[in-house]
Amino acid sequence: DAKTTQPNSMESNEEEPVHLPCNHSTISGTDYIHWYRQLPSQGPEYVIHGLTSNVNNRMASLAIAEDRKSSTLILHRATLRDAAVYYCILTPFIIQGAQKLVFGQGTRLTINP
Amino acid sequence: DSGVTQTPKHLITATGQRVTLRCSPRSGDLSVYWYQQSLDQGLQFLIQYYNGEERAKGNILERFSAQQFPDLHSELNLSSLELGDSALYFCASSGQSRGYTFGSGTRLTVV
Repeated sequence: DAKTTQPNSMESNEEEPVHLPCNHSTISGTDYIHWYRQLPSQGPEYVIHGLTSNVNNRMASLAIAEDRKSSTLILHRATLRDAAVYYCILTPFIIQGAQKLVFGQGTRLTINP
Repeated sequence: DSGVTQTPKHLITATGQRVTLRCSPRSGDLSVYWYQQSLDQGLQFLIQYYNGEERAKGNILERFSAQQFPDLHSELNLSSLELGDSALYFCASSGQSRGYTFGSGTRLTVV
């Protein structure tokens, strides 16, 4: 499984943008980049995923470097509800059966009121 | 409601006992995954089933076993329980091009 490196923790203020970095220098050409988050005492929640191009959805944006060796999850206006552990995960593309998600330690995001 | 249902939500049992955790995947998903999360620890992958067959195995103890039934629900069996088995156990499911969805977990306390 290709590895990812994330900062252990980050802190931001409410209503400000947050940029969560992830390094994945050993990514292969068919690896997808996933972001999940886990709020306290809850199961992980899907945030966003991408392959090569930048992606946007209602929760966040994913900016992928041109060489795909790093990516950044962008929360445009953080709220207190965004305080969670954020995981950056790589999965290889396979046709059937999907691939297990391998979680690292993630980044614990603290949002200050 | 994520679409993945786990029962029970809480379970308290004694050391040496056996318990069964149940997971109903999101409708249409063929893959089911089990994870363990101990206090302040990361999510550890235990095992994956795809359409009834074991697909991948992680750090699952020999005292633990799982299966996926024809209706695609899955059960995780934990036996000879030890205090260290106390944890949150999450089930997730995935389908073709549908991403992964996690349940709300079963909190197991071994006393």
